Amino acid sequence: GAVVSQHPSRVICKSGTSVKIECRSLDFQATTMFWYRQFPKKSLMLMATSNEGSKATYEQGVEKDKFLINHASLTLSTLTVTSAHPEDSSFYICSASVTGGQRETQYFGPGTRLLVL
Amino acid sequence: RKEVEQDPGPFNVPEGATVAFNCTYSNSASQSFFWYRQDCRKEPKLLMSVYSSGNEDGRFTAQLNRASQYISLLIRDSKLSDSATYLCVVNPANDYKLSFGAGTTVTVRA
Repeated sequence: GAVVSQHPSRVICKSGTSVKIECRSLDFQATTMFWYRQFPKKSLMLMATSNEGSKATYEQGVEKDKFLINHASLTLSTLTVTSAHPEDSSFYICSASVTGGQRETQYFGPGTRLLVL
Repeated sequence: RKEVEQDPGPFNVPEGATVAFNCTYSNSASQSFFWYRQDCRKEPKLLMSVYSSGNEDGRFTAQLNRASQYISLLIRDSKLSDSATYLCVVNPANDYKLSFGAGTTVTVRA
């Protein structure tokens, strides 16, 4: 399958600071990437759809000014958690779509575990 | 009603046993269905797509029942390494967005 990387894999930061997470498609170009958040024992929740060269589309209830998304190239999308608070502590996972025939398949990055103190 | 619902389990089975579980989805227009596997504190990994006619990949068999709006996953000859959380994933509107179930946890014991 396609390879998606994320960096950093884990980060601990103080409340009020900003954290940037990178998502890269390593062996393919991704015009669309997705950012998810997962709390313990809960399902992945889509936060936003990142489109190369245009603004991200945010899901209802996700603050676009707090979770800044930039998709500057076909292989890189970044998520910046601004002014992080302890309730933002979560597992953040990106994914990228790959089309095979008529079927879209999403491949996930390894995730970034964020802990805000 | 949630878009995708799964029995959280856990399903505790001995090595070599067969285990099966379902997932229901609410949007009858859903087009694509998948099973992903997620190990503890790791990202989801695609296990298999689910096709209308049902499909098999080694010890894993997936079925789709559109009339009753559920998909199933059956694992034969369970291995210890099959212990994981299995996520049911549905593409409700064929627009790249996926809806995830909360997962079914399977624990295979020696």
